[in-house]
Amino acid sequence: EVQLVESGGGLVQPGESLRLSCAPSGFTFTNYAMHWVRQAPGKGLEWVSGISTSGGTAYYADSVKGRFTISRNNSMTTLFLQMNNLRADDTAIYYCARGTYSFGSWGQGARVTVSS
Amino acid sequence: QSALTQPPSASGSPGQSVTISCTGTSSDVGGYNYVSWYQQHPGKAPKLMIYEVVKRPSGVPDRFSGSKSGNTASLTVSGLQAEDEADYYCSSFAGNNNVFGTGTKVTVL
Repeated sequence: EVQLVESGGGLVQPGESLRLSCAPSGFTFTNYAMHWVRQAPGKGLEWVSGISTSGGTAYYADSVKGRFTISRNNSMTTLFLQMNNLRADDTAIYYCARGTYSFGSWGQGARVTVSS
Repeated sequence: QSALTQPPSASGSPGQSVTISCTGTSSDVGGYNYVSWYQQHPGKAPKLMIYEVVKRPSGVPDRFSGSKSGNTASLTVSGLQAEDEADYYCSSFAGNNNVFGTGTKVTVL
């Protein structure tokens, strides 16, 4: 059974940093591109970032470019999202998702709240 | 990276059909056959219902179907059932990024 488990969420103040992790199981991690998708309270889905199977290519939404960094450790089988200079509008549930052109499997999400 | 446009709501009685549109541009929906659709129940993670415009993942009922014409994709749910009441989002590959739709709340009357 495919599983994705996010961790690392929490409450931070504006300007602070946070690192999310996603631990996959039930499939060969190195065969799949991975993504982060977020959902602000009461709002729709927003694609945040994606990374290739090797980790050599990463893509970002304009809203997070320059502040967030996606990475993966294929030997540790883990996906990361380093979030710096967090803002109030980054408050959301962050999902990790598996896939290249669509998102076939999702985690249950990590809640990130940015507030003073 | 503007969101794809979906109607805010759609509804139908049990057994009826409902169709949700998803309008983008030639840089996303119209440029690639990589449109997907997701169902999300309250408090739950999204679930993939359609990928590559028309394909259904294993386990998704054939009541769900997808199509595309130009810059607009559509999801049709036939034979509506109570459990189909949920939010639905489209998504498209757009070159160096992906973009989601604004979401549609489907109500089963």
